[in-house]
Amino acid sequence: RKEVEQDPGPFNVPEGATVAFNCTYSNSASQSFFWYRQDCRKEPKLLMSVYSSGNEDGRFTAQLNRASQYISLLIRDSKLSDSATYLCVVNMWGNFNKFYFGSGTKLNVKP
Amino acid sequence: DVKVTQSSRYLVKRTGEKVFLECVQDMDHENMFWYRQDPGLGLRLIYFSYDVKMKEKGDIPEGYSVSREKKERFSLILESASTNQTSMYLCASTPAGQARGDGYTFGSGTRLTVV
Repeated sequence: RKEVEQDPGPFNVPEGATVAFNCTYSNSASQSFFWYRQDCRKEPKLLMSVYSSGNEDGRFTAQLNRASQYISLLIRDSKLSDSATYLCVVNMWGNFNKFYFGSGTKLNVKP
Repeated sequence: DVKVTQSSRYLVKRTGEKVFLECVQDMDHENMFWYRQDPGLGLRLIYFSYDVKMKEKGDIPEGYSVSREKKERFSLILESASTNQTSMYLCASTPAGQARGDGYTFGSGTRLTVV
């Protein structure tokens, strides 16, 4: 079983739509959670960290559900520029080399 | 602007060749990492280094070695390239201490094709 699993998509949504995707992780000892964004043929870049209480950054909301071992990313009012692959990243505190990346969820926002 | 620079964007090499992938960062980061990224598999850690001349195996070190002679430079070496090493290779760095995911800065990647 993979440490981190994501639905590969693609999620095809119209501009202005709200879209959400989840990422499940297998290790209950995981401590730190992040969403990265990767544009086509580019490197991943940090989108946002995921805090236990949930956090919001503009149109983006990240949530953590420890009981069910998943994190989620909600994008409101989708823009064409949101089209990208979204990677979730999970880490166990004290084991800094063990960052587990999901394989990514592809989002296509259509005009 | 801080940068992680990978020397080549695209490389084509023949089976059996020795291949060097270079990565340089200008942020004075202690930790440096090499990942490969393949469709459906995500990023997988090959090797990392937390100091000059120090290296640690990641999850898939077989067929690779690394060199860190200077703090800013971390090289990935494919001793004898094989077709199953065709992939996108990404270098990343983070500052010392607990290397948190939000501290990762990635290079722009090297797409290696082994023929």
